[in-house]
Amino acid sequence: DVKVTQSSRYLVKRTGEKVFLECVQDMDHENMFWYRQDPGLGLRLIYFSYDVKMKEKGDIPEGYSVSREKKERFSLILESASTNQTSMYLCASSPWGEQYFGPGTRLTVT
Amino acid sequence: AQKVTQAQTEISVVEKEDVTLDCVYETRDTTYYLFWYKQPPSGELVFLIRRNSFDEQNEISGRYSWNFQKSTSSFNFTITASQVVDSAVYFCALSEAPGDNYGQNFVFGPGTRLSVLP
Repeated sequence: DVKVTQSSRYLVKRTGEKVFLECVQDMDHENMFWYRQDPGLGLRLIYFSYDVKMKEKGDIPEGYSVSREKKERFSLILESASTNQTSMYLCASSPWGEQYFGPGTRLTVT
Repeated sequence: AQKVTQAQTEISVVEKEDVTLDCVYETRDTTYYLFWYKQPPSGELVFLIRRNSFDEQNEISGRYSWNFQKSTSSFNFTITASQVVDSAVYFCALSEAPGDNYGQNFVFGPGTRLSVLP
C-alpha cells in the first residue's frame, strides 16, 4: 500500500510565524503535490514537484514556497503565516496517474 | 482547458438505496485519465478508481460500479445498496496523459457530498 504521511494533523500558529508542513511518501513516486482545501472552493493546487529539486507553481502559490531535497519528502513553507492561510492542507504523491493523499493538516493561524 | 463538473452538490439517501453520482468532463485531449476519490469525515482523500480514455468498459468492484461514456463525456459512479459508511464527499478528477504540465492538468471536480441515513 502507498503510504503518504504528513507531519501534523492539527497545527495552530500565530500570524507572522514561519510554518513548515512536511510530507513523506514511501513509494518512490516522482511527483508530489500540495493542495489546500477550503469550503466552497474545492481543492486548489499550491505547488507540485516532478523530481528532486524541481518545482512548479500551481494555481495559488502566493505566500508559499516549497522544498524537495529528497525524492520522498516535499515540504510546504509559509514564510509569514497569515489568517487567510487557515485551511486544510493536503499532500499527495503520484507515479504518472492517480494521486495518493496523506491524511491532511488542518492549520489554524491566529 | 480541462474541466470537471459534478452538478450534484449534496445527495441524501436512506440506507440500502442505490445512488448515482454524476461526473461530466471537458478536455481536448484524446488521451486522458479519469478518477474517483472518496473523502470521509476524517479528511483523507482515498483513491477509488482510474480509467483511461481508451477503455470504456464499465467497472464493478463490490457495491461500487462506474459507467464511462465518451459519447456524453461522463464518468458516473453508482453505489448499490448504500451503507452509512458510504457517507463522504466524492470527487471526480481528470488528468492528461503524463508529460509536460502534468501537475497543472490534474483537475478535480467540486465534489458531491453523500449522506446515507440509517
